Amino acid sequence: EAGVAQSPRYKIIEKRQSVAFWCNPISGHATLYWYQQILGQGPKLLIQFQNNGVVDDSQLPKDRFSAERLKGVDSTLKIQPAKLEDSAVYLCASTRYGSGANVLTFGAGSRLTVL
Amino acid sequence: RKEVEQDPGPFNVPEGATVAFNCTYSNSASQSFFWYRQDCRKEPKLLMSVYSSGNEDGRFTAQLNRASQYISLLIRDSKLSDSATYLCVVGGTSGNTPLVFGKGTRLSVIA
Repeated sequence: EAGVAQSPRYKIIEKRQSVAFWCNPISGHATLYWYQQILGQGPKLLIQFQNNGVVDDSQLPKDRFSAERLKGVDSTLKIQPAKLEDSAVYLCASTRYGSGANVLTFGAGSRLTVL
Repeated sequence: RKEVEQDPGPFNVPEGATVAFNCTYSNSASQSFFWYRQDCRKEPKLLMSVYSSGNEDGRFTAQLNRASQYISLLIRDSKLSDSATYLCVVGGTSGNTPLVFGKGTRLSVIA
């Protein structure tokens, strides 16, 4: 089974620039998550999709972050404009629906550095 | 009180030692509990689920105390390869309830 694919792996931008991250979950996984992991901390949920609908985006800074999963498969997370404090690893994860729905499989992450 | 709190690290232990990590959670309605392992600069990976009756997987034992809202992970006979950050994760009853991660506890096993 192919894993969760993410790109780019690394991105360096200056503050106020924009950036986009892409995620392709495991085939057949209905639920997709974006987490932000700042150095030294645990992953923090930004947004959760069930197919192409948003389940939870309560911790997404909506003034600068946006995410979509238009066809219920792959997803894009965008930051515009970026701030220094957005420097983090952005992790995408997916789960099956139903039994085992809470077992997350993560992608390798996209490491963002904002200068 | 933070949703999921873990022992501060790092834990530096010699090979062969037994080490225990603790975790407390604030939401008494939580129904699912996990330990994830994260190697340096890698993504988190599921180590084991935690069941009410406790469960064991080789050298690893996880326990849950719902009354005290407390989860533990015990590693026996530590190996160098156990060096990693261990993340306590708590969630609800279904895939629609977000999983909340603790900050993690870093373990270094020393030869």
